[in-house]
Parts: sequence; structure tokens; C-alpha cells
Amino acid sequence: DIQLTQSPSFLSASVGDRVTITCRASQGITSYLAWYQQRPGNAPKLLIYAASILQSGVPSRFSGSASGTEFTLTITSLQPEDFATYYCQQLKTIPLTFGGGSKVEIK
Amino acid sequence: QVQLVESGGGVVQPGWSLRLSCAASGFTFSTFGMHWVRQAPGKGLEWVAFIRYDGSNDYYADSVKGRFTISRDNSKDMLYLQVNTLRAEDTAVYYCARDRLPHTGYPQYFQHWGQGILVTVSS
Repeated sequence: DIQLTQSPSFLSASVGDRVTITCRASQGITSYLAWYQQRPGNAPKLLIYAASILQSGVPSRFSGSASGTEFTLTITSLQPEDFATYYCQQLKTIPLTFGGGSKVEIK
Repeated sequence: QVQLVESGGGVVQPGWSLRLSCAASGFTFSTFGMHWVRQAPGKGLEWVAFIRYDGSNDYYADSVKGRFTISRDNSKDMLYLQVNTLRAEDTAVYYCARDRLPHTGYPQYFQHWGQGILVTVSS
């Protein structure tokens, strides 16, 4: 199975901050990676797919990038509604796997 | 708009069975692959199962293989998850989710999610 390791698992940030979350795959997954946002009590929401393509309707302050087996989610100018937990997910092989999550909290 | 509504959860004893349902609307259900994903209380997301849009193929996580069965009824726009021989570690919110693209035989990104249904396994 492909393991996805997210870091940090927790971060404290302020409104307006730039935030970067990393997801490292245990083996090559080319660009078969998505990022999801989950607010407390809600279902996850697709933010980015194919490593860097912004899902329709998602604000442009969200972006994704890839370098080998390392993937990055960046949020520029954090907004109050962005405080949530973020998960990466790979679709390269079955079983599909998620990272452990990165919780973004208000400083 | 796309809606996915899960039902059939509840509190059950270890070893019991349940059938979870997911009612789909707002899209042509028969053209999209569908998934079940679960989340244990306070934990992360775990993919459970996928079924191809036409029901001709399915895949499972190792943790549920042989105990869970995903199925669909395209005439009723319904997705199901038969969960057997439940264990305490199956306690979770179960979400159904829809693939991003239609008519693909392999899992896609999860573009739409239901609100989830809680299954609690406890004696």
C-alpha cells in the first residue's frame, strides 16, 4: 500500500498568513493526488486534484504543487473559513489511501 | 444540485450486520463510480470501497475485504454497503462519495460527498 505522510499534523496560524502543508508519498504516484478540506462536523470537500488543478469554485488562494513524491498545498492569505483539517489522497493504486491530516487552527 | 443522503446507521453489537444506503439525486447516477469512505471518531479518513458506474467491478480496503460488500441499483439511484461481522473498530461515520468524472472504470477523485451516517459497534 502507498503511505502518505502529511506534515505538519497541526499548525497554528493567523488570518492573513501563508500556510504550507506537505504530503510525502512512499512511492511514485505521478500526479494522482488530491487535497480535501474538512471543517468540523462536515463532510470533506475536494479542493485540488491531479496535484495542482483547482476544483471549480475553490478560491484561488489555494494551490497545489508536486516535486517527485512530495506534494504541497499552499494557502495564501488564510481566511477565517480556512481553519479546518486538510487531507491528501492518492489515486495511483488501490487501496486508495489518505494522509493522516493536517489541522489548521487559529493562533 | 448533486445530493447524496446516507441512511441505515445505528448502534449494533459486535458480530452483527447492517446495510447502509446512499440515495443519489441531481445527476445521472448510472454513469458515475461511487465510493464509501469512513472516519472513526476523532480520526482521519479511510477509503472503504468503490464500485464501477455499471456495477461490473468493485474494490475494497484490506480491512473490510470479505466482510463488506458494495452494490448499487441504478434503476433506483441507490448505493449500498452491506457490512457484516461488525467489529468495534468499524465504529465510524460512513460517507458515500461520487467520482469526479463519469464513465470511468477506475476510481476518480471524490467530487461530491454525503453528510455521513454514524455506525457504532458496541456491546
